[in-house]
Amino acid sequence: DAGITQSPRHKVTETGTPVTLRCHQTENHRYMYWYRQDPGHGLRLIHYSYGVKDTDKGEVSDGYSVSRSKTEDFLLTLESATSSQTSVYFCAITTTPDWAYGYTFGSGTRLTVV
Amino acid sequence: DAKTTQPPSMDCAEGRAANLPCNHSTISGNEYVYWYRQIHSQGPQYIIHGLKNNETNEMASLIITEDRKSSTLILPHATLRDTAVYYCILRGQGAQKLVFGQGTRLTINP
Repeated sequence: DAGITQSPRHKVTETGTPVTLRCHQTENHRYMYWYRQDPGHGLRLIHYSYGVKDTDKGEVSDGYSVSRSKTEDFLLTLESATSSQTSVYFCAITTTPDWAYGYTFGSGTRLTVV
Repeated sequence: DAKTTQPPSMDCAEGRAANLPCNHSTISGNEYVYWYRQIHSQGPQYIIHGLKNNETNEMASLIITEDRKSSTLILPHATLRDTAVYYCILRGQGAQKLVFGQGTRLTINP
């Protein structure tokens, strides 16, 4: 979607290596979210941010850390990737949770841990 | 966030209205009903949301029962491009996150 980009789009990495996924927005939205999507589980929230340097955990945060040093970038880091973290990762943004137009999602990053 | 229940799958003929139900019998007074959809391999897309009144936009209509325990998303003239997974989500006013369920896989048949 225009205004939000995720990188990389695809990545294959080895177990035990660190991995960082990037979500970049040009909308100046305050809120940013990281979800993962797996078959049979739907979308699950990993971490979210409600401002620069303000982050909080979601329902599946173990093994993940995040950072937001500026409004436009929200980074998701897997410190030591495991095969269970093979998934499709989606970033989302919104200006406020009550915003009439809902969340805008990125196109996703497909991560494979071998 | 309270739980929603949706049928796992539905079919609809192209050109017909697609009516997707959602049960949310434990909804709280300040919880909005949101609908998103996810077309294969893409990120979810916002469709519509409402609190008490019925809502309509260029994509769909949302009908919420008077007791607010259920709702229906209506795609008035379904096309093949409407084939997707549709999620019904409750979000309390001021809540900072959306919690997705399993959704309904809608298939539009030619």
